Amino acid sequence: DAGVTQSPTHLIKTRGQHVTLRCSPISGHKSVSWYQQVLGQGPQFIFQYYEKEERGRGNFPDRFSARQFPNYSSELNVNALLLGDSALYLCASSPPGGGGKLFFGSGTQLSVL
Amino acid sequence: KQEVTQIPAALSVPEGENLVLNCSFTDSAIYNLQWFRQDPGKGLTSLLLIQSSQREQTSGRLNASLDKSSGRSTLYIAASQPGDSATYLCAVGRETSYDKVIFGPGTSLSVIP
Repeated sequence: DAGVTQSPTHLIKTRGQHVTLRCSPISGHKSVSWYQQVLGQGPQFIFQYYEKEERGRGNFPDRFSARQFPNYSSELNVNALLLGDSALYLCASSPPGGGGKLFFGSGTQLSVL
Repeated sequence: KQEVTQIPAALSVPEGENLVLNCSFTDSAIYNLQWFRQDPGKGLTSLLLIQSSQREQTSGRLNASLDKSSGRSTLYIAASQPGDSATYLCAVGRETSYDKVIFGPGTSLSVIP
């Protein structure tokens, strides 16, 4: 079975632009969460979606938004990019009844110039 | 507010040595605790998941323990190998929603041949 897939793997944007990152969970996983990891730090929680509903939001500005589609894939959108948005963006999915075990994708490396 | 710390920040050991990585958390009301491995620029690989009702989990050369009352977890790696070189992160799942995990900053491990 395929793992969590994220696209694109790398992205270069300039300040003020908009970006969309995509995530496909493992088949059968209905929960998707997004994390931002700045170099040298642990990942920080951004959003969690379950059955297409937002279940949680971390301490990020309204420029960050996300959604989950009927096939449980998800998009993370960031508007008005700032230099400080440069980071590795990670998506994780978890199975129902899995005890909270998270399965991560390889991430999207976003560079804002 | 849950805070997760990891000691040491970096560790360098000769091949074959047994080692212990430490993780501390401030709020004992956790759902679970996970240990992850991350190679440079890559996503996270789940190593061990300990539910709040458990004391330890083992997988091969890895053993993780959990002491909720003292807010501590340790990851024990036996007979370390150069392939174990990576950053190790612990993550605490909150009781109300296990997907919104709080990560520690990680321990960077280097195993010298």
